[in-house]
Amino acid sequence: NAGVMQNPRHLVRRRGQEARLRCSPVKGHSHVYWYRQLPEEGLKFMVYLQKENIIDESGMPKERFSAEFPKEGPSILRIQQVVRGDSAAYFCASSRGLAGGQNEQFFGPGTRLTVL
Amino acid sequence: AQKITQTQPGMFVQEKEAVTLDCTYDTSDQSYGLFWYKQPSSGEMIFLIYQGSYDEQNATEGRYSLNFQKARKSANLVISASQLGDSAMYFCAMRVMKTSYDKVIFGPGTSLSVIP
Repeated sequence: NAGVMQNPRHLVRRRGQEARLRCSPVKGHSHVYWYRQLPEEGLKFMVYLQKENIIDESGMPKERFSAEFPKEGPSILRIQQVVRGDSAAYFCASSRGLAGGQNEQFFGPGTRLTVL
Repeated sequence: AQKITQTQPGMFVQEKEAVTLDCTYDTSDQSYGLFWYKQPSSGEMIFLIYQGSYDEQNATEGRYSLNFQKARKSANLVISASQLGDSAMYFCAMRVMKTSYDKVIFGPGTSLSVIP
């Protein structure tokens, strides 16, 4: 998977708790994307970040969800006050972000969040 | 609106036979990229093949080829000589990149089962 790391791989939370999902992109990639995959569905775009900037968050729920990609360290997807409907697989992808060319997004293994 | 349609929720193919997975897309952008990803039961997203909107030749990667028909807005995946390990979900995706916009839209997926 070309080096995108996500942790934890599995996360269990009770309703009302906070979930923090981490993503370390491929070395040299400055663009990070978060996707959510609900059971039996395809991936849905959530947010696109570059270092210290949110470029496109059109897929993020308006409340309880936030994302950051600091200058140092991994990208964090944070879900506050989780509800059962947040149970899903959350994938992170990274790319070099250059226009033109193949420029595929490399995906991490995903974090499977289960809300009890 | 940008959209990916995969009309085959499930497909079966005999081992060693070829199979075509359908994908149609909708976009008003002139520059875009089309991808196919494989998701086995273990859950990771595996990049298979890429086709750029300006590429004149159909992309091929080993046993995978992409039948790109731009006028019809279709990007079907052809898997030749199916193997048991090809059993998985297959997602067609489209990427559109602009200065402040970089989004990959996924289709709902096709579940492929290879029969021995």
